[in-house]
Amino acid sequence: KQEVTQIPAALSVPEGENLVLNCSFTDSAIYNLQWFRQDPGKGLTSLLLIQSSQREQTSGRLNASLDKSSGRSTLYIAASQPGDSATYLCAAHSGGGADGLTFGKGTHLIIQP
Amino acid sequence: NAGVTQTPKFQVLKTGQSMTLQCAQDMNHEYMSWYRQDPGMGLRLIHYSVGAGITDQGEVPNGYNVSRSTTEDFPLRLLSAAPSQTSVYFCASSYTGAMGNYGYTFGSGTRLTVV
Repeated sequence: KQEVTQIPAALSVPEGENLVLNCSFTDSAIYNLQWFRQDPGKGLTSLLLIQSSQREQTSGRLNASLDKSSGRSTLYIAASQPGDSATYLCAAHSGGGADGLTFGKGTHLIIQP
Repeated sequence: NAGVTQTPKFQVLKTGQSMTLQCAQDMNHEYMSWYRQDPGMGLRLIHYSVGAGITDQGEVPNGYNVSRSTTEDFPLRLLSAAPSQTSVYFCASSYTGAMGNYGYTFGSGTRLTVV
């Protein structure tokens, strides 16, 4: 059974810093890995999707990498802003059906103005 | 706007009552699923469907029923609500084509409280 772990569980940094959020998964047989953002009381917004054949994806100040062999993904946020404050979730897609998406418990990020 | 629409956004039920959480998507996605999100537990899969007429159980299916009569709609029914079903419920859809899976799109959620 796939298990996804996110470290750290919480992070607070001053505005302007570059930061890295970590995600690890136990079963490397994934189709893709998806990073989401969740604001308090809101739904999940997809940030980046990395297919199993890819090494990284970039969107604006966000860069996500994937290393299937080591079971790790990282989300890099450049020049952090207070508006980046949210919970970031990674989810491994191990297939359709009951495998579905396996989520980590998230990293709660606070960017201090 | 294209996407996944969930209704209602908030609901309070008394123990033993039944209700249906609605989910609709307009992206012609074959795969739809329901998750619940609880503090400290993350998101867990309740039920899923790979197409109209086909449904199956996820990790935590007890107390919930689903049906899929159309590609667009995937309602979740609570048969007899219990306090343990107090949670935030998310519906998601996904498309897998010749180039692979295109990722999941989530609805905005239904916050359910059972008293």
